[in-house]
Amino acid sequence: QSVLTQPPSASGTPGQRVTISCSGSNSNIGRNAVNWYQQLPGTAPKRLIYDNTQRPSGVPDRFSGSKSGTSASLAISGLESEDEADYYCSTWDDSLNVVVFGGGTKLTVL
Amino acid sequence: QVQLQESGPGLVKPSQTLSLTCTVSGDSISTGLYYWSWIRQHPGKGLEWIGYISNSGHTYYNPSLKSRITISADTSKNQFSLRLNSVTAADTAVYYCAKGYNPLDYWGRGTLVTVSS
Repeated sequence: QSVLTQPPSASGTPGQRVTISCSGSNSNIGRNAVNWYQQLPGTAPKRLIYDNTQRPSGVPDRFSGSKSGTSASLAISGLESEDEADYYCSTWDDSLNVVVFGGGTKLTVL
Repeated sequence: QVQLQESGPGLVKPSQTLSLTCTVSGDSISTGLYYWSWIRQHPGKGLEWIGYISNSGHTYYNPSLKSRITISADTSKNQFSLRLNSVTAADTAVYYCAKGYNPLDYWGRGTLVTVSS
């Protein structure tokens, strides 16, 4: 049981826009910035979005993050087959005093 | 570009100690205000943050693992290490090292550690 709640799966067709939600509480998302990681099949996770909305250099602007209250979202526009991966949200939890992750969302490009 | 590489035994016997090392290139673990973390991923499961060591040697551990963990650094080799005591099959996972902790900026490729007799 993960502290942050994500849908286990999401899907879309090439060119579509998909969003992945991440729900938390006042002790984590409500107080701290949210980060998103992309894990392509068989590889290590990679930082995708940090500080709620920031993209590291090299990450396409098709990826965007947002946060409102105790929830956050990752949006992917212009979906491409190479976006098929697992996506994890993460932040610090002030009650547990630990970095917490969502359970991950497996994105399938149909 | 920062690169991290995990190394260590891929098989550990139950009740023994898991020891892994992360070698960092392209950055110094002893300079700047940075943290260096360990994370693990059980087979087919999500991510679990284990703990970090700072550039000054300060450590912080996940409370759920704290009694069994030691994270240390060898600045002369630009490496940091994880020791996990009294392992069981539940510690079988891919172990990653990373720069930072929130966010985790750069990750190693990971190394699979299996706990089995």
